[in-house]
This record gives sequence, C-alpha cells and structure tokens, in this order.
Amino acid sequence: DVKVTQSSRYLVKRTGEKVFLECVQDMDHENMFWYRQDPGLGLRLIYFSYDVKMKEKGDIPEGYSVSREKKERFSLILESASTNQTSMYLCASSLIAGEQYFGPGTRLTVT
Amino acid sequence: GQQLNQSPQSMFIQEGEDVSMNCTSSSIFNTWLWYKQDPGEGPVLLIALYKAGELTSNGRLTAQFGITRKDSFLNISASIPSDVGIYFCAGQGDYGQNFVFGPGTRLSVLP
Repeated sequence: DVKVTQSSRYLVKRTGEKVFLECVQDMDHENMFWYRQDPGLGLRLIYFSYDVKMKEKGDIPEGYSVSREKKERFSLILESASTNQTSMYLCASSLIAGEQYFGPGTRLTVT
Repeated sequence: GQQLNQSPQSMFIQEGEDVSMNCTSSSIFNTWLWYKQDPGEGPVLLIALYKAGELTSNGRLTAQFGITRKDSFLNISASIPSDVGIYFCAGQGDYGQNFVFGPGTRLSVLP
C-alpha cells in the first residue's frame, strides 16, 4: 500500500512565525503535491514537484515555498505565517501522470 | 482553467438506500478518479477510470467514465453509516497534466 505521512496532524502557530510542514512518501513516486483545503473552496494546488530539486507553482503559491532535497520528502514552508493561512494542508504523491495518494493532512491554525 | 462541477453538493439519505452522484466538466478528460474523505482525514482513492464508457466496481461502489469524456458517475449501493463523508471527483486531461478536483459531494447517512 502507498503510504504518505505528514509530520503533524495539528499545528498551532503565531502570526509571523516560520512554519515547516513535512511530507514523506514510501512508494518511490516521482511527483509530490501540496494542497490546501478550505470549506467551500475544495482542494487548491499550492506547489508541486516532478523530481528532486524541481518545483512548480500551482494555483495559489503566494506566501509559500517548497523544498525537495530527496525524492521521498517534500516540505512546505510558510516564511511568515498569517491568519489567512489557517487551513487544512494535504500532501499527495503519484507516479508520473498517475493517481494521487494523499496523506492524512495537517490542520494548521495561525493565531 | 478547467473546472469540475459535482452534483449534488450535499445529500441526506436513509441507511440502506442507494446513492448516485456525478461530476461534470466543460473539458474532455482522459482519466477520472473518485476519492472519499472522512472528517479530519485526507482523501482516500476509491476508483480510477481510464477509458470512456468504462464501468468499474469496488465493493458497493460503482463508477462510470461517461462516453462524452466530460462526466463521471459514482453510485453507492445499500448505504451504511460509514459511507458518511465527502466524495471528490478528479479529472486529468492530457497525459502528464495535473488533476483537477471537484468541490465535493457531502454525504450524510441517517440511521
């Protein structure tokens, strides 16, 4: 079975803090994705990566950056957290052009 | 950009009833996926469809790839309380493109 794990299920941070969300997959997938999910807005793609050290902007990259130093690990970074970044963050991985498998999500609250 | 619509947005059904929901697009897709998301969890892949007209089952779930390639359908037979959750569709156009996700159908099952 594909396993995608995320470093935290729940996280509370203060405005202005730097936040790291980690995602690890164990299926040697090339592609990894970060989404945020908000009520009524569905899943919105923040960033994705097709290979180590490669990154591409998704639909809402502002205020975020990513890092992919190893194939199995994809990190989402909030350089200076703001309250409008309070959300559920979902990581996913896939083979090239394949089905995406999601992690359990990190519910981030920024106060 | 491409958008998916899901219908209905939400539904309340009695335990034991059958459920039908659909996903439509203004664009042609080559792959359709159906996911289920339990409260507070990440989406779990239920069914993947790769060919127009394809009908695929997974237990009590059956999904179909519409022959126009602009829609897909998910049916759940004999619903049970653990069917509660949000059901998402996702479509992929050309090979290698990212998937587009629908806004979800929220299913509630009344005992």
